[in-house]
This record gives sequence, C-alpha cells and structure tokens, in this order.
Amino acid sequence: SQQGEEDPQALSIQEGENATMNCSYKTSINNLQWYRQNSGRGLVHLILIRSNEREKHSGRLRVTLDTSKKSSSLLITASRAADTASYFCATEGTSYGKLTFGQGTILTVHP
Amino acid sequence: DTGVSQDPRHKITKRGQNVTFRCDPISEHNRLYWYRQTLGQGPEFLTYFQNEAQLEKSRLLSDRFSAERPKGSFSTLEIQRTEQGDSAMYLCASSLGYRRNTEAFFGQGTRLTVV
Repeated sequence: SQQGEEDPQALSIQEGENATMNCSYKTSINNLQWYRQNSGRGLVHLILIRSNEREKHSGRLRVTLDTSKKSSSLLITASRAADTASYFCATEGTSYGKLTFGQGTILTVHP
Repeated sequence: DTGVSQDPRHKITKRGQNVTFRCDPISEHNRLYWYRQTLGQGPEFLTYFQNEAQLEKSRLLSDRFSAERPKGSFSTLEIQRTEQGDSAMYLCASSLGYRRNTEAFFGQGTRLTVV
C-alpha cells in the first residue's frame, strides 16, 4: 500500500511559472526523497532531505519537510517544458533503503 | 559505469507462461531492490537484497514470484504462471547500503504485458 499521498494529482502551468507539489506520509521516516519519471521510463532521483532537515535546495528545486505535520513540498522555480513529467515523493523508514512511494503528481509545463 | 541496467525492456507473454527479468546494478552497490509499478500509481516495493541475502519480501510477492541474487551482483525476478494482473512495469534499483540516507538509482524498467 502507498504510504504517501500527493497533491495535486495533476498540475498544468506555463513555462516560467513555479510549480509546487505536496506530499504527506504516515509513519516516522529517516528521510524523504523526490523522484521524477518521464513517461514510461525509470525514475530519476532529484533530492533527498533528512528527517532532521527542514529545507534543502538543489538548482531550481526547493524541498521543505515538516515532520510534525508529516508533510513535504517540492517547489520547481522557473519551470521549463522539459520539466514535464510525473513527480513522486518517497519515504525511507526504519528499513534501510526501502522506499515507500506516493501516487505522484503529473506536471505539464506548456511552452 | 552505465547505471542500473534491466533486460528485457519489454516483454509480452501469454497467461500461464513463466517470465524472467534481469537486473544489473551499479557495480559497487551492495543493495538491490525490486519494485512494481502499475499505470497511474507509484512504485510498490517487492523485495530487496543486501549482497546475496534476500532480507525482506513484500506480501505482494506471492509464491509465484521468486527473486535471486546468487553472487551478490546481478539479480533475476521470475514470475511463474503469469496472470493478467501481473501486467506492470518492474523496476530495479540499487544503492550503497553501508550508510543511511543514500539515494537509490533506478533502471529503466521492464514492462510486462500478459495477454
């Protein structure tokens, strides 16, 4: 079963706009990770945030983590058409390396 | 190093047939995972290995499924007597298991269609 829920399920924006995706989870975690998946392909790791971190940046990506609310958000700034993909959050709990994924957000960036 | 490699990329099989998928992880990675992803869903954990030892199996992994990693390098996932419900993308991932908080690298997946 999926631990996480992602919101929204789908997001459609124009190139240059920011995109924000949210993820909620249910149990204690070691870290939370975000992955991107282009249609029918494998997953690409974007960013990992540890349970003792609150915010992390990587290029145009900004991730926040609120362990008290069991939630995370991924912000993509100045989006590009190439950012069009599905985005998944995944939590690593007590079992090292085992990831529990959310259902994903489908992001469409229109040129 | 070319990352995690999966073979085949696509497999179409008739219901009742057996299929086997192969995963070659990144060479220095000691942990290897199998996930299954159905359309519109996130990946679901099936099983993982640390070196050659299979340490955890999901209840999703019925007795028709078996996974091996005989020498701690590549892994195979076999599905016996396939059913239409087995149609999915099967993803393999690997990671360095000696530390916490390390990312997993995924292969491109094997898409299985059972007809």
